[in-house]
Amino acid sequence: DTGVSQDPRHKITKRGQNVTFRCDPISEHNRLYWYRQTLGQGPEFLTYFQNEAQLEKSRLLSDRFSAERPKGSFSTLEIQRTEQGDSAMYLCASTLATGGNGYTFGSGTRLTVV
Amino acid sequence: GQQVMQIPQYQHVQEGEDFTTYCNSSTTLSNIQWYKQRPGGHPVFLIQLVKSGEVKKQKRLTFQFGEAKKNSSLHITATQTTDVGTYFCAFGYSSASKIIFGSGTRLSIRP
Repeated sequence: DTGVSQDPRHKITKRGQNVTFRCDPISEHNRLYWYRQTLGQGPEFLTYFQNEAQLEKSRLLSDRFSAERPKGSFSTLEIQRTEQGDSAMYLCASTLATGGNGYTFGSGTRLTVV
Repeated sequence: GQQVMQIPQYQHVQEGEDFTTYCNSSTTLSNIQWYKQRPGGHPVFLIQLVKSGEVKKQKRLTFQFGEAKKNSSLHITATQTTDVGTYFCAFGYSSASKIIFGSGTRLSIRP
């Protein structure tokens, strides 16, 4: 499979619990992005990496959110002390820094906080 | 702040009719990309426009980037049921930055 993989596809968690999502980008892509999408809205930028360096994090992102890309390959997004407002689809995308080819998105992880 | 408006929010057309969605920015953009998201799916890249006044075509789809690089449009000629989905513009303020998505235009089609 040469696409972007995300795991798990669905996650139901109780409020207050921590969750972690994983993204495996296309292997030759050096940039990796996390977006969040709620129903009827466009994807909202969360953070992005070039190789292992986290270059930008949205100011809308609270301190409960953290992302890593330790070896410049896969990435994890952790949400601590989840709240009902965190319920959304979390999308990962990858691309080459040279640009021009757009972002390749994974199928996303749907988080439901109950 | 960074503001891009995408209109209309919804469009319901008869199969065979044309469809257009527009994105307008208050500031000059470096580039604009267009994505299609089918119901229950994820965004799929369609095209990127970089040059002022650029026009690109993909079969029945025509993409334009305004002369001032502040607006863009996607036009679909003779819609088909396979065109159903939400079309997003996504823009960057520099070639090295992330892209920010518009609110999307949801296209539905009467067979």
